[in-house]
Amino acid sequence: DTGVSQDPRHKITKRGQNVTFRCDPISEHNRLYWYRQTLGQGPEFLTYFQNEAQLEKSRLLSDRFSAERPKGSFSTLEIQRTEQGDSAMYLCASAREPGTSYEQYFGPGTRLTVT
Amino acid sequence: QKEVEQDPGPLSVPEGAIVSLNCTYSNSAFQYFMWYRQYSRKGPELLMYTYSSGNKEDGRFTAQVDKSSKYISLFIRDSQPSDSATYLCAMSYNTDKLIFGTGTRLQVFP
Repeated sequence: DTGVSQDPRHKITKRGQNVTFRCDPISEHNRLYWYRQTLGQGPEFLTYFQNEAQLEKSRLLSDRFSAERPKGSFSTLEIQRTEQGDSAMYLCASAREPGTSYEQYFGPGTRLTVT
Repeated sequence: QKEVEQDPGPLSVPEGAIVSLNCTYSNSAFQYFMWYRQYSRKGPELLMYTYSSGNKEDGRFTAQVDKSSKYISLFIRDSQPSDSATYLCAMSYNTDKLIFGTGTRLQVFP
């Protein structure tokens, strides 16, 4: 399977703990996006990378959120000092730029539950 | 007001019906229009994309964009129970982030 993969699929954590999620994009895609989806809503953009460069991070929800893509391949999203309001599905998508980066392909998501 | 509005449904139709799903938007700068299908607890799956105005057909699916009315549609012909899912419209100004609607939940009953 050459689609976008995410790990873990589910994460349950206690309030105040740090969590890290991983995304592996489609191999020839140089763009990688992170979105958050809460129940009954569409995905909400957080940040994106072109290769190693983080091109927009203004939508990261607070300074507790950070993302990296150190070698231009996989990416990690970290949430520090989790809060119950962080409970959501975190989705990763990848695309190819130039030309077709509006065609974003999503992974299965990581479902985070903060207790 | 949200940039993209979509009726959350649920929309319930019998098998074989033609389904019409719609979104409206407020920003005329949107140029790329996408439809995604999302099954419960799964990631969104890209169904169709359209640049600017016009129609696009792929099998049982037809996407329409009317930029003058700021209105997009997805039609599903000969709907099947396997089409039961949430359908998300998404739009983009350029080739960066997507702005999604809330999604319409569709149920196709046998």
